[in-house]
Amino acid sequence: KAGVTQTPRYLIKTRGQQVTLSCSPISGHRSVSWYQQTPGQGLQFLFEYFSETQRNKGNFPGRFSGRQFSNSRSEMNVSTLELGDSALYLCASSLAGGRTGELFFGEGSRLTVL
Amino acid sequence: AQRVTQPEKLLSVFKGAPVELKCNYSYSGSPELFWYVQYSRQRLQLLLRHISRESIKGFTADLNKGETSFHLKKPFAQEEDSAMYYCALSGPGGGADGLTFGKGTHLIIQP
Repeated sequence: KAGVTQTPRYLIKTRGQQVTLSCSPISGHRSVSWYQQTPGQGLQFLFEYFSETQRNKGNFPGRFSGRQFSNSRSEMNVSTLELGDSALYLCASSLAGGRTGELFFGEGSRLTVL
Repeated sequence: AQRVTQPEKLLSVFKGAPVELKCNYSYSGSPELFWYVQYSRQRLQLLLRHISRESIKGFTADLNKGETSFHLKKPFAQEEDSAMYYCALSGPGGGADGLTFGKGTHLIIQP
């Protein structure tokens, strides 16, 4: 079974630009969640999608958004990039999400904002 | 607000010695807690969860609601245990909340 796939793996943007990151979950998994990982703040929950609906959102500004498609693939978008958005963005999938806690993580997309 | 604290950024022990990775949490409801591990050049992966009450790779963790702790223990450390370990707590919602992670402990097992 293929694991969670994230693209692109690395990208560099400048302040003010926007970026779109993509995540393909494990086949059959309907829940996709996104996390931001930085050295200072660690892993922080961004949002979760299940069956194309955002079920929950973490404490991030509206510049961070996402969506999920009918095939469960998900994208997240960050608009008007700031230097502080430089981070590793991790996507995780699970069968049904929720409190089971068994998330399967991708390798991440490392975003550098200059 | 829920919070997970891992007081040790780095823990170094010798092979064969006991290991204890500390995790404390603050949460107003009935918690569900997990340990995730990231080995070098590998993805973050679930190690164990408290509801399973299982031992994985020799590791166990007991939820102590009185002390609000979920420490990870192993009686005899092995070199392959070297990794980053994250304690995580599941949110209050019935089905949709994300995990709250601690900042992680880097465990180094010396030969």
